[in-house]
Order: sequence, then C-alpha cells, then structure tokens
Amino acid sequence: DAGVIQSPRHEVTEMGQEVTLRCKPISGHNSLFWYRQTMMRGLELLIYFNNNVPIDDSGMPEDRFSAKMPNASFSTLKIQPSEPRDSAVYFCASSPDGSNHGYTFGSGTRLTVV
Amino acid sequence: KQEVTQIPAALSVPEGENLVLNCSFTDSAIYNLQWFRQDPGKGLTSLLLIQSSQREQTSGRLNASLDKSSGRSTLYIAASQPGDSATYLCAVRPSGSNYKLTFGKGTLLTVNP
Repeated sequence: DAGVIQSPRHEVTEMGQEVTLRCKPISGHNSLFWYRQTMMRGLELLIYFNNNVPIDDSGMPEDRFSAKMPNASFSTLKIQPSEPRDSAVYFCASSPDGSNHGYTFGSGTRLTVV
Repeated sequence: KQEVTQIPAALSVPEGENLVLNCSFTDSAIYNLQWFRQDPGKGLTSLLLIQSSQREQTSGRLNASLDKSSGRSTLYIAASQPGDSATYLCAVRPSGSNYKLTFGKGTLLTVNP
C-alpha cells in the first residue's frame, strides 16, 4: 500500500486566493482526519470523517474552511479566502474502524499564504 | 479535557547512549497511546501503538511502556544513533471519544556523532 497520499506537498499562494488540499486515504480505512500543525499550537484536529460522513468539524477554525469527502478514496480541504495566519502544515490521516487501531499520516502539505 | 505533556522539550545526547522520553496525560480513560516520529519537514511515522490493556510494546531498539493508572508512558531508545534525531510525539486516543487523538508538543531529539 502506498500509504496516505497528500497533494500538493508545498503550496504558496497570495492572500485572498482559494486553496485546495487533497488526500487519498489508505484503501479500507473508514476514518479520515485533517490536522493542522503550527509551532505555536502543535497538532490540531480540524475535521473527522467516518464512512465519508463528517462526524466532527468542531476544529474547523472558521467558515473560510470547508472539507468534503465525496467517496471513500478522496477528500479535500478548501480555504477560501486564504489568509497569512492559515500558513501551516496540513496533514491528512486515516484509520480503520475500531479503537485498537492506530493512525497513519500522510506527508503533509506545507501551505504558505503571503 | 485531556492534556498530554512531553518532557523534555528537547534532548541532546552523544551517539550510543540509551535514553528515555516521557509522556504524561491527565485522563487515564484511554483506548490506546501511540508514539510517532517526525523528521524535519516530513510527516508523522508511527513507531509503536500500545493498547490500554498492554504494559509495553517493543520494536527493534525501541520500547514503549504504558502505566495507564498514573497517566504515563515512556519511550526507551537503546544505543542511540544519529539517524534517530527527530521529533518524537506521543498521542492518546481517549475512550470517551474513540477517534480523536490528543497530541503532546513533542520532544526534539538530537543524537550527536
């Protein structure tokens, strides 16, 4: 298995532009997570999907952020409009159902908003 | 609210030393605890997963222990190597919310040749 695949690896955009981050979870994993990592706040859960349905989006910082999972093999995280304070590394992770499984993380997308 | 603390925040050791990284959590009601490694500019690599019913897990030179009642876990690295240099993160999966990992801030390990 190729693991959790994220694209792009790096994204530099101007303030106000729309940014779309993509994730392909491991096949057979029912749970998908989007995390954001910053020096100040560490790793924060943004949103959790189970069987393609958003279960918990309480970590999404504001309405500028949205996430979708149209099928079991693809998810997007969109920021519109982007702001400099959105600069961070965004990780996608997936896990099988069941509490005895660990998470597998992707390599992340480093977003810089200038 | 679950809080995870990792001590020390940074550690520098000479090659060959055995070392211990510490992780503590405030709520002992957990499903499992997972140790990750993160290299600069990279993603998180899972090292060890300990279920709440387990005391320890081993993988090569790594050994992780869990004392759920006291809210503590340790990651022991034997015979450290420069390639072990990375940030080590622990994360707990609370039993009240069986999907949400709570992460510590990590320990930055430097192993000097």
